[in-house]
Amino acid sequence: GDSVTQMEGPVTLSEEAFLTINCTYTATGYPSLFWYVQYPGEGLQLLLKATKADDKGSNKGFEATYRKETTSFHLEKGSVQVSDSAVYFCALSSNTGNQFYFGTGTSLTVIP
Amino acid sequence: EADIYQTPRYLVIGTGKKITLECSQTMGHDKMYWYQQDPGMELHLIHYSYGVNSTEKGDLSSESTVSRIRTEHFPLTLESARPSHTSQYLCASAGEEETQYFGPGTRLLVL
Repeated sequence: GDSVTQMEGPVTLSEEAFLTINCTYTATGYPSLFWYVQYPGEGLQLLLKATKADDKGSNKGFEATYRKETTSFHLEKGSVQVSDSAVYFCALSSNTGNQFYFGTGTSLTVIP
Repeated sequence: EADIYQTPRYLVIGTGKKITLECSQTMGHDKMYWYQQDPGMELHLIHYSYGVNSTEKGDLSSESTVSRIRTEHFPLTLESARPSHTSQYLCASAGEEETQYFGPGTRLLVL
C-alpha cells in the first residue's frame, strides 16, 4: 500500500544553517505530495505541496521538488530562523484523493 | 486560508464521563477527518467521513464515535472517558483538491 517514510529527528541547527528533511514515498500511480508544519500547541498547517512529477512547491523560503525517479519530496531551506522551530510532516494523497498518509514527523529546533 | 474550528481547545475530565469534541468547517468540504496525535507526534486516523450520513473507522481502533448530520459539523464522542484516551485530537477537512486543512486541536486529559 501507499506510505511515506520521513527522516527521523530531532534535528537541531544553528540559525542561518541549511536545512534538509528527507521524505520518500511508496505509491501506485501519481499521488500528490505535501509538507505540513506544526508549531507548539497548534494544529498542522499546510506549508507547500506538489501535484505532479518535477513540480516544485515553495513557501516562506522552504522548497520541495516532486522527484518521481527517486520517489522523494525532500524539504529544504537555505537559511533557517529560530521561528522555524516546529515539527514537520511529509504527507501523500493517493490517486483517488480518498486516502491520506502522513510521515511520523521530524522535530526541528533552531538555536540562535 | 482554511476556516476549521475545534472546541474546546483544552479539556480536563474525570474517568467515566461522556465528552463530545466539536469540529466545524465553513468551506463546504465534503471530506472530514479525526486524528489522534501521540506525544511522540505521530498522527493516527481514527474516523473519517466523505459526506453527510457517511462515517468510517480509520486505521487506529478507537472507542470513540462520530456523526455527520450536517456538512459543516463532525463531532467526536467518547461515551466513557478513560486515562488511555488522554491525547491531542485533530480535526481536518478536505475539498476536491485533496489538501487537508486542520483545526487547532483539542488537548484532552482524563484523570
